[in-house]
Amino acid sequence: KQEVTQIPAALSVPEGENLVLNCSFTDSAIYNLQWFRQDPGKGLTSLLLIQSSQREQTSGRLNASLDKSSGRSTLYIAASQPGDSATYLCAVYNNNDMRFGAGTRLTVKP
Amino acid sequence: GAGVSQTPSNKVTEKGKYVELRCDPISGHTALYWYRQSLGQGPEFLIYFQGTGAADDSGLPNDRFFAVRPEGSVSTLKIQRTERGDSAVYLCASSSTGGATDTQYFGPGTRLTVL
Repeated sequence: KQEVTQIPAALSVPEGENLVLNCSFTDSAIYNLQWFRQDPGKGLTSLLLIQSSQREQTSGRLNASLDKSSGRSTLYIAASQPGDSATYLCAVYNNNDMRFGAGTRLTVKP
Repeated sequence: GAGVSQTPSNKVTEKGKYVELRCDPISGHTALYWYRQSLGQGPEFLIYFQGTGAADDSGLPNDRFFAVRPEGSVSTLKIQRTERGDSAVYLCASSSTGGATDTQYFGPGTRLTVL
């Protein structure tokens, strides 16, 4: 059974710092990996989707990498801002089944 | 355009009651997913629809849970004989075709509280 783990569970940084969120998964047979953002009381917003054949994806200040063989992904956020404060979830997709990690709760202090 | 909408946003019910949760996907999306998210956890897959049919219902926890999508658009998640352990946020998502390259777009969720 696919297990997805995110480290750290919570992270607090001052504004302007670059930071890395980690995601690991136990079964490398995935179609894609997706990073989401979730604000309190809200649904999920897709940030980046990496296909299994890809190594990374970039969008603005965000860069996500995927190492399928080792079962790892990272989300890099450059020049963090208070508006980046949210919970970040990674999810792996295989056969209609998307498995999520428990998320990293990020706080960016002004 | 309009995103995925879910109603109600909050539902409080008593143990043993029946509840229905509604999801309106993005227009034209053939794939629809239901997830359940408990406090401090990531969403947990429940069921996937492709059109009107349930293509994968392996995530439904037991036979008290049932979902329909009769016209291939709106979906209703039905929970019978609710239990306190059913309390969670129920999320709905839709995607264009349900393929591995498709992004899933999530609704805001329905927070279900069973007293």
